[in-house]
Amino acid sequence: NAGVTQTPKFRILKIGQSMTLQCTQDMNHNYMYWYRQDPGMGLKLIYYSVGAGITDKGEVPNGYNVSRSTTEDFPLRLELAAPSQTSVYFCASSYSTRGDGNTIYFGEGSWLTVV
Amino acid sequence: GNSVTQMEGPVTLSEEAFLTINCTYTATGYPSLFWYVQYPGEGLQLLLKATKADDKGSNKGFEATYRKETTSFHLEKGSVQVSDSAVYFCALIRNTGNQFYFGTGTSLTVIP
Repeated sequence: NAGVTQTPKFRILKIGQSMTLQCTQDMNHNYMYWYRQDPGMGLKLIYYSVGAGITDKGEVPNGYNVSRSTTEDFPLRLELAAPSQTSVYFCASSYSTRGDGNTIYFGEGSWLTVV
Repeated sequence: GNSVTQMEGPVTLSEEAFLTINCTYTATGYPSLFWYVQYPGEGLQLLLKATKADDKGSNKGFEATYRKETTSFHLEKGSVQVSDSAVYFCALIRNTGNQFYFGTGTSLTVIP
């Protein structure tokens, strides 16, 4: 019963480095999301995908890129890391956005620090 | 636009006290409404949901009623426990939308 799995759980990056946060789900969900959560703040949507091959920007996409080549995987790429990207990142998925399938499931989070 | 406004915290209660966390929303159409809970160091977990007006979602002693006339979805629990200490998020999704909208979260601490 894996659900949404994201790696790594913790990472320290130097300014200007790049990295990819991996996310995979085994629930055959169509929709996948990346959020960031800053201390004491709510969730902000970075990117989302409504299906394989389709991605769209959320509220705070600058400095990030995503791809969705399969239904299961939705990696988040950070290019040229900046201190402002220090945050906790959550990957999430849902089967649908309407009806009984519109519950969103979250991974356990990835703590990223840029120094 | 679409948004969720929830009561600011932090909230501190004694064990067995009554809990209310207010949540109001702005959305076009008929959104589904959710409460999620986040325990320290973990991701968000669904606590309860309601998909249409006057529905009541309930789980683990928590409940919330979808009130369209007041655009509210307040979370209540009659007797809180120390284990309920967490951050609670109200959220919505429009029935024609692709994005979930979350409130800023309310931190609850229950002391013995």
